[in-house]
Amino acid sequence: KQEVTQIPAALSVPEGENLVLNCSFTDSAIYNLQWFRQDPGKGLTSLLLIQSSQREQTSGRLNASLDKSSGRSTLYIAASQPGDSATYLCAVMNRDDKIIFGKGTRLHILP
Amino acid sequence: GEEVAQTPKHLVRGEGQKAKLYCAPIKGHSYVFWYQQVLKNEFKFLISFQNENVFDETGMPKERFSAKCLPNSPCSLEIQATKLEDSAVYFCASSQTASGYTFGSGTRLTVV
Repeated sequence: KQEVTQIPAALSVPEGENLVLNCSFTDSAIYNLQWFRQDPGKGLTSLLLIQSSQREQTSGRLNASLDKSSGRSTLYIAASQPGDSATYLCAVMNRDDKIIFGKGTRLHILP
Repeated sequence: GEEVAQTPKHLVRGEGQKAKLYCAPIKGHSYVFWYQQVLKNEFKFLISFQNENVFDETGMPKERFSAKCLPNSPCSLEIQATKLEDSAVYFCASSQTASGYTFGSGTRLTVV
């Protein structure tokens, strides 16, 4: 049974710092992995989607990596800004089309 | 219960027919969200509710799509006059506040 874990559950960093959010999954037979951002009370915003054949995806200040063999993904945020404060969720899609979400990391960027 | 229940699991409609999808959020969760996922790609946010009230409908197509969350009833997403491009998996999620998202297993809509 696929399990997705995100560590840490919460993180506070000063503005301007680079940071890494971690996501691990127990079954490496995935179809893809996505990182989402959730603002309080709002819907998810898809940030990056990595297919199982890919190693990383980049969008602006964000870079997501995928290491299927070790069951890990990281989301790297460069030069953090107060507007980056949100909950970041990692989700894997299994080959049976089931999507499993982690519980998220609550990120707070200190001005 | 502790899961978000979506029904039906699969739905096939002829083009032009109506489709209605249901979602029972976890008891005590105030927020309900609907997403559309086409061809295993990114999730597209459609609409969210805070209790019975629409909270954010910025992703909702202006025509043909409507949604409700009424007291003591499952939430529903209705598509009038379905089109081929509406074929997707529609996910519902609920949350208590800003975190602790729980997704349902989705309804696969196929328009033929």
